[in-house]
Amino acid sequence: DTEVTQTPKHLVMGMTNKKSLKCEQHMGHRAMYWYKQKAKKPPELMFVYSYEKLSINESVPSRFSPECPNSSLLNLHLHALQPEDSALYLCASSHLLGNTIYFGEGSWLTVV
Amino acid sequence: QKEVEQNSGPLSVPEGAIASLNCTYSDRVSQSFFWYRQYSGKSPELIMSIYSNGDKEDGRFTAQLNKASQYVSLLIRDSQPSDSATYLCAASSGTYKYIFGTGTRLKVLA
Repeated sequence: DTEVTQTPKHLVMGMTNKKSLKCEQHMGHRAMYWYKQKAKKPPELMFVYSYEKLSINESVPSRFSPECPNSSLLNLHLHALQPEDSALYLCASSHLLGNTIYFGEGSWLTVV
Repeated sequence: QKEVEQNSGPLSVPEGAIASLNCTYSDRVSQSFFWYRQYSGKSPELIMSIYSNGDKEDGRFTAQLNKASQYVSLLIRDSQPSDSATYLCAASSGTYKYIFGTGTRLKVLA
């Protein structure tokens, strides 16, 4: 079982809703990531945090807002999403930036 | 454009056979290579990482890396129906960025 825990596993939200995806790891990793994966496509990097600071934003629309409250937690705040944002959202972590990445179980998001 | 290429499959092998999954990459600065297994509807799960030329074995899995040919492969011995999944190859130059292939779908026939 993965040691990166994501909640909720499934989320359905309307285009005007505000919701959040949560991720937690207790492996002492100092780098955390958000990926987005559409069907039959590879994971696509969205954000990278290193030592709780945002290091990389891969030109993600502002309707996605990441937050890293502490070294174990990573959130992704969602607001005014579009149906095309429906996807599997994967949290991942690594010991340090550049080390092997371990994925969480993912959160399936459906925007209606 | 840095790329990792995989045959999308499906690759069908009978139970008990060796499954051979292949991946080529275009970026010569890639140093680290990873194989992830992804079951339908699930998240990617790390199987193997490999950094040096040659073979690396872990149970029924063997990863092979040839940097001169920019080629990395994954062999699965004694394939089982439970190995049926999509296998993602990824390359990294040691930074935050993984370049993923599109994955090869493996079907192990009972």
